[in-house]
Amino acid sequence: NAGVTQTPKFQVLKTGQSMTLQCAQDMNHEYMSWYRQDPGMGLRLIHYSVGAGITDQGEVPNGYNVSRSTTEDFPLRLLSAAPSQTSVYFCASSYGSGGEKLFFGSGTQLSVL
Amino acid sequence: GENVEQHPSTLSVQEGDSAVIKCTYSDSASNYFPWYKQELGKGPQLIIDIRSNVGEKKDQRIAVTLNKTAKHFSLHITETQPEDSAVYFCAASVNQAGTALIFGKGTTLSVSS
Repeated sequence: NAGVTQTPKFQVLKTGQSMTLQCAQDMNHEYMSWYRQDPGMGLRLIHYSVGAGITDQGEVPNGYNVSRSTTEDFPLRLLSAAPSQTSVYFCASSYGSGGEKLFFGSGTQLSVL
Repeated sequence: GENVEQHPSTLSVQEGDSAVIKCTYSDSASNYFPWYKQELGKGPQLIIDIRSNVGEKKDQRIAVTLNKTAKHFSLHITETQPEDSAVYFCAASVNQAGTALIFGKGTTLSVSS
């Protein structure tokens, strides 16, 4: 049972480049979310999804797109990377509908130059 | 929207002492308050949580208290051990399922032997 798998673990981008951070879970969780973690800022919610085909914005959604075509996958897209998006990104999932414990992936460290 | 304040940002204790971390939240509709522990290089892990219809919850050396009227909740760790050293985050839910969480900025706990 792999849990929540994030790829890649590390990524360096140039300003203006696009990329997709991948997140997959094998626990049949309905709920998935993306957070970014910056020094002294804690974890900030970017986007979340309560099921396939349903997504919603969190605290800091600007500059990021998401989609949820399957229960297992929840990719995060950066359309035009900016230095302000340099951060560690965590994907998390849970059963939802009252099963609130979040299972976090191991994170993706992204640097935008 | 919901805002979660967490204090202190750093906390140093001697092994065997107690540690207390406090959080306040702004949205009276929030109904779920978890605490996460994050070790270096890893994703956060749930250590204890409490719902709005409960005032206190204990799990061995860890306890959480909630004061709904004052909109604050606290984490208490007794008989601290060096392995308790980590960053601790409080959070409050912003949806009914309790799966979209707003986190505090974190407390770095150092336990010296």
